[in-house]
Amino acid sequence: RKEVEQDPGPFNVPEGATVAFNCTYSNSASQSFFWYRQDCRKEPKLLMSVYSSGNEDGRFTAQLNRASQYISLLIRDSKLSDSATYLCVVNEGVRYGGSQGNLIFGKGTKLSVKP
Amino acid sequence: DGGITQSPKYLFRKEGQNVTLSCEQNLNHDAMYWYRQDPGQGLRLIYYSQIVNDFQKGDIAEGYSVSREKKESFPLTVTSAQKNPTAFYLCASSTSGSKYNEQFFGPGTRLTVL
Repeated sequence: RKEVEQDPGPFNVPEGATVAFNCTYSNSASQSFFWYRQDCRKEPKLLMSVYSSGNEDGRFTAQLNRASQYISLLIRDSKLSDSATYLCVVNEGVRYGGSQGNLIFGKGTKLSVKP
Repeated sequence: DGGITQSPKYLFRKEGQNVTLSCEQNLNHDAMYWYRQDPGQGLRLIYYSQIVNDFQKGDIAEGYSVSREKKESFPLTVTSAQKNPTAFYLCASSTSGSKYNEQFFGPGTRLTVL
């Protein structure tokens, strides 16, 4: 059963391009949504938390469509330093106990920005 | 400087040996987590703990054990019962008061079984 699905890529884009990543999730009870960035052989780092229908932070825009169970991340004016794997992460609510819910991670979409 | 530390960065183990991975945080977070990442795979939850002296199994707890004697520390033991332990192990923490459960990760430990 696939819970969080992402296009694995790789996405190869030139500097300055706009690139969009898509993600779908299967649990309609999911409560919160995130995009993490993971560099090669490093830990994931929180890029954006997705609230309500979406939010923007500089060159990065995240959108959420609860009816379609779909999340997107748009990167404008891409930089060489944006090259990484982008993980879509969903808090699907309490699964095993406790009060916060558990995060379900997609496999990630790899982005390579070329000069 | 607040953060999460994991040690060692690289660990080599012979088959049949138990090994313990360290995770420490000084963020005053109540909740701590252990994940495993295999190449081309999403992170999978091994164990988590929301308060001291309490922890719950995640998706793939078999062959692993944990303890939570202090708020700052959540060590993971990989036992000989874990059939395929070679992986990248990531520890994370979060505040218990956040309904969103934003988690922050340590730098990870790469375990290789020889």
